[in-house]
Amino acid sequence: QAQLVQSGAEVKKPGASVKVSCKTSGYTFTDYHTHWVRQAPGQGLEWMGWINPKTGNTNFAQKFQGRVTMTTEVSKSTAYLELRSLRFDDTAVYYCARGGAYKVWGQGTLVTVSS
Amino acid sequence: DIVMTQTPLSLSVTPGQPASISCKSSQSLLYSDGKTYLYWFLQKPGQSPQLLIKEASNRFSGVPDRFSGSGSGTDFTLTISRLEAEDVGIYYCMQSIQVPITFGQGTRLEIK
Repeated sequence: QAQLVQSGAEVKKPGASVKVSCKTSGYTFTDYHTHWVRQAPGQGLEWMGWINPKTGNTNFAQKFQGRVTMTTEVSKSTAYLELRSLRFDDTAVYYCARGGAYKVWGQGTLVTVSS
Repeated sequence: DIVMTQTPLSLSVTPGQPASISCKSSQSLLYSDGKTYLYWFLQKPGQSPQLLIKEASNRFSGVPDRFSGSGSGTDFTLTISRLEAEDVGIYYCMQSIQVPITFGQGTRLEIK
């Protein structure tokens, strides 16, 4: 069945960048957008954007414009999220999710921004 | 941006009793294709969100039939007919008719 497996936890200093991967399996990677959603500690869910693996087109939430890059490596059925100029309030669990009906989610990647 | 407002924000229910969560959107979620782009998720402690209901009222495969979604336009409800202990967690509604995709604040459901 469809599965999304994310890379492991990261600890970064303010101002640094982080790149999270989301390896998919069990479905045709290019048939669905990959979405990224984050959740700060004790907070709700926040949508960051999506990427269309077939075309490379992206759509980001306004607050992340200029700081986020979403890419894919189709040969590896893997999506990537890069967030730059990290701030303390970027500390969160970052999830990838398959588009369509959001039936499949990754396990989450904790990114901690700490000096 | 479409604002999603859930009520209540917390709920304590006795096992076997019903529970109901409301979600209101600031704009209609009915698209021109006839579908309503409203989803319900449950996030159990320490887990990723899991889909319960898609398109307002369609129960996802494998979700127990005690869960049901209803509503249209801007007003939606998730109902659990008989609460079980495994239903504890935070429930979120989400709209995807328009970007940015937005979530409700979440409703924390506890066992009384």
